[in-house]
Amino acid sequence: DIVMTQSPDSLAVSLGERATINCKSSQSVLYSSNNRNYLAWYQQKPGQPPKLLIYWASTRESGVPDRFSGSGSGTDFTLSISSLQAEDVAVYYCQQYYSNPYTFGQGTKLEIK
Amino acid sequence: QVQLQESGPGLVKPSETLSLTCAVSGYSISSGNYWGWIRQPPGKGLEWIASIDQSVTTYNNPSLKSRVTISLDTSENQVSLKLSSVTAADTAVYYCARHKTTTFYHAFDIWGQGTMVTVSS
Repeated sequence: DIVMTQSPDSLAVSLGERATINCKSSQSVLYSSNNRNYLAWYQQKPGQPPKLLIYWASTRESGVPDRFSGSGSGTDFTLSISSLQAEDVAVYYCQQYYSNPYTFGQGTKLEIK
Repeated sequence: QVQLQESGPGLVKPSETLSLTCAVSGYSISSGNYWGWIRQPPGKGLEWIASIDQSVTTYNNPSLKSRVTISLDTSENQVSLKLSSVTAADTAVYYCARHKTTTFYHAFDIWGQGTMVTVSS
């Protein structure tokens, strides 16, 4: 199984500041034949299901604000929120869909400082 | 708009079989997408369980071995999950979700609200 490790486990950022969450996979999730990274990011607010933010490591899902961006390739990935808003308080998960079984990171809890 | 709604018994006894249904509205499950189940124990992270498409091609998480059965009912536009020989470790919120395209190898773009299942005698 591919192990997904996120850092940090929790993060407190001031409103309007940048938040950065990291995700590392135990093996590459880059598929060489199409040069795509099989990596997604989700946001989960309390009592709600996860919401897809980013797929292919950097493609924003329709309707997701452009302050959310994803980057990285191979085994190292980053989710950035350029200017933190109050509604961004949530737990964020990365997920690889490169191989069976799909696996998720342990989650990063984002709070307001 | 596409909506998914999970349902099932909130309480299951140890060693019994957990049975859940996901009703899909606003979209035909025969359209080609894969459909999956994911669970989340209280206060913990996400675990993918299994996925299926209209050709009944299935992918299961090996960690759950042969305890999982996933199926489609195209006449009812529903996706079902059965998990046998449950223990307290199977206590979780169970979500159904749609894979974003017709390939298994894609993210989940639409999720149900989830249903809480507790395993206890």
